[in-house]
This record gives sequence, structure tokens and C-alpha cells, in this order.
Amino acid sequence: GDSVTQMEGPVTLSEEAFLTINCTYTATGYPSLFWYVQYPGEGLQLLLKATKADDKGSNKGFEATYRKETTSFHLEKGSVQVSDSAVYFCALTGSGGSNYKLTFGKGTLLTVNP
Amino acid sequence: DTGVSQDPRHKITKRGQNVTFRCDPISEHNRLYWYRQTLGQGPEFLTYFQNEAQLEKSRLLSDRFSAERPKGSFSTLEIQRTEQGDSAMYLCASSLVPGMNTEAFFGQGTRLTVV
Repeated sequence: GDSVTQMEGPVTLSEEAFLTINCTYTATGYPSLFWYVQYPGEGLQLLLKATKADDKGSNKGFEATYRKETTSFHLEKGSVQVSDSAVYFCALTGSGGSNYKLTFGKGTLLTVNP
Repeated sequence: DTGVSQDPRHKITKRGQNVTFRCDPISEHNRLYWYRQTLGQGPEFLTYFQNEAQLEKSRLLSDRFSAERPKGSFSTLEIQRTEQGDSAMYLCASSLVPGMNTEAFFGQGTRLTVV
């Protein structure tokens, strides 16, 4: 079945540092890929998405590129802020009949220190 | 619309008791999903509805679990004879249909602790 593997955390960075959180997936066909973020005390929010190979999703300074050849969707940000401290989840929806069901990675806790 | 709301936010119950959670989706959304998230794990799919019809149930949803969406609006998730292994965050999400990969909006979840 479909699966998502993401970088184990926690990740601790200083403000303005560069962030990469690795994500790889296993799926048949052409899944859509997502990054969700969960801020403390809040629900999951969609951060960005990409629906086909070579697409780049971007939002709030975060970017991720759908790489089919390496089955990856790594999250990057050039300069993190304290307010980016949260848990980040990589996820996918399958193609065809299972395009509604999200499969998540385990999440990566990011802490940004001032 | 204030988004997906879940009630209660927290529930502590004794093993063997029944519990029921409620989810109110975004009003125009016709798909509603339930996920379960245990500590240190990502959310796992439990079941989903399109309008009032329950279209899929994960094998994670044992026969002690039942979900309903009687009028295609709010949904309830009931767990009978709770066990300590049921302790988790239960997340509800909703989305529009049709359309490929329509964004799912999540509620804040109900945290269940079985003691």
C-alpha cells in the first residue's frame, strides 16, 4: 500500500537558518503530495501541495518539488522564524479511486530558537 | 464559516465505558473524514462519508467503533467498551466533491484518554 517516510525529528534551528525536512513516498500511479503543518494547540493546516511530477508547491516561504524519479517531496525554507515552530507532516493521496484518502508520515517537530 | 469544529476537545473515560464525539464540517462540504492520531505518529484514516453515505471503513475501525452522518451534515463517532489502546487524538476533516485532490480542512481534534 501507499506509504510516506519523513525525516525523524526533532529538528532544532536558530532563527534565519535554512530548513530541509526530507520526505519520500511509495505509491502506485501518480499520487498528489502535500505538506501539512500543525501549530501548538491547533488543527492540521495545508501548507502546500503538488499534484504532478516536477510541480513546485510554495507557501509562506516554504517550497517543495514533486520529484517522481526519486519519489521525494522535500520541504525547504531559506530562513526560518520562531513562528515556524510546529509539527510538519508529509502526506499523499493516491491516484484514481483512492484520491480522497490522505496517507501521512509520522511528522517532524521543528523548534526554532531566537 | 469558522471551519471544522469538534466536540469535546478532551475526553477522559474509564475503560469499558462508551464515548461519542461530534464533528461539524464546513457547511458546504459534502465529504467528511475521520482520522486517528496516536502519539508520535501521523494521522491514520478511519472512515469517510459522502453526504450521509459511509463509503469506506478502514480495517483500523473495529466493530466497537461506529460512525454516522445522519443528515449529511454533522457526524458522530462512537466507541463502545473503550480500551486503553483507544487513547488517541481523533481528527475530523471535510472537503468538497468533485475535483481531484480537493483540500481537506481539519478540525482541532478530540483527545481521548482511557484510564
